[in-house]
Amino acid sequence: GAVVSQHPSRVICKSGTSVKIECRSLDFQATTMFWYRQFPKQSLMLMATSNEGSKATYEQGVEKDKFLINHASLTLSTLTVTSAHPEDSSFYICSAREQRGGKETQYFGPGTRLLVL
Amino acid sequence: AQSVSQHNHHVILSEAASLELGCNYSYGGTVNLFWYVQYPGQHLQLLLKYFSGDPLVKGIKGFEAEFIKSKFSFNLRKPSVQWSDTAEYFCASLKTGGGNKLTFGTGTQLKVEL
Repeated sequence: GAVVSQHPSRVICKSGTSVKIECRSLDFQATTMFWYRQFPKQSLMLMATSNEGSKATYEQGVEKDKFLINHASLTLSTLTVTSAHPEDSSFYICSAREQRGGKETQYFGPGTRLLVL
Repeated sequence: AQSVSQHNHHVILSEAASLELGCNYSYGGTVNLFWYVQYPGQHLQLLLKYFSGDPLVKGIKGFEAEFIKSKFSFNLRKPSVQWSDTAEYFCASLKTGGGNKLTFGTGTQLKVEL
């Protein structure tokens, strides 16, 4: 099946620094990728939709200047958490949309655990 | 707006018991439906999906789900669970023709006891 990778899997950073998370579709091209946040024992919350070659679309309440998204190629999207604060500590998950015959399926990456001290 | 409801938040079963996890979606139009599983410490994996056609969908690891349009339901089933099925299960819907956003249910934590 389709494989999506994320890097890094875990990151610890100091408050005020920026952290970049990469999401790659390994065996298919994805014009659209998605970034989610998952809080402990909760479901996934969609943060933004990453579109190759154009600006990301952010969900209501998500600060676009804080969570910078770049989708520079058909297999790579990056999420940069700028000026991270402890409340940004979370599990960030990306997914990549595969389209076949007009049908689409999202495949998920393994997630990145961010801890901001 | 779309919504997905999973009414069972925690389910505990003994090995070999049968499983049915409920999922209801709200959108009245054409939807695609998915079940994902998240094993402890692992990422979300696709169990099965429904686009159209036969409403009974078979997925990996012996799971199946039935799409019942009149009930807006897409319940997940497995005739005999194993300890290794302990995981969190998420139902999700995708409204076709717009948005391209998956709407997730809140998840059901399944624990299978030996």
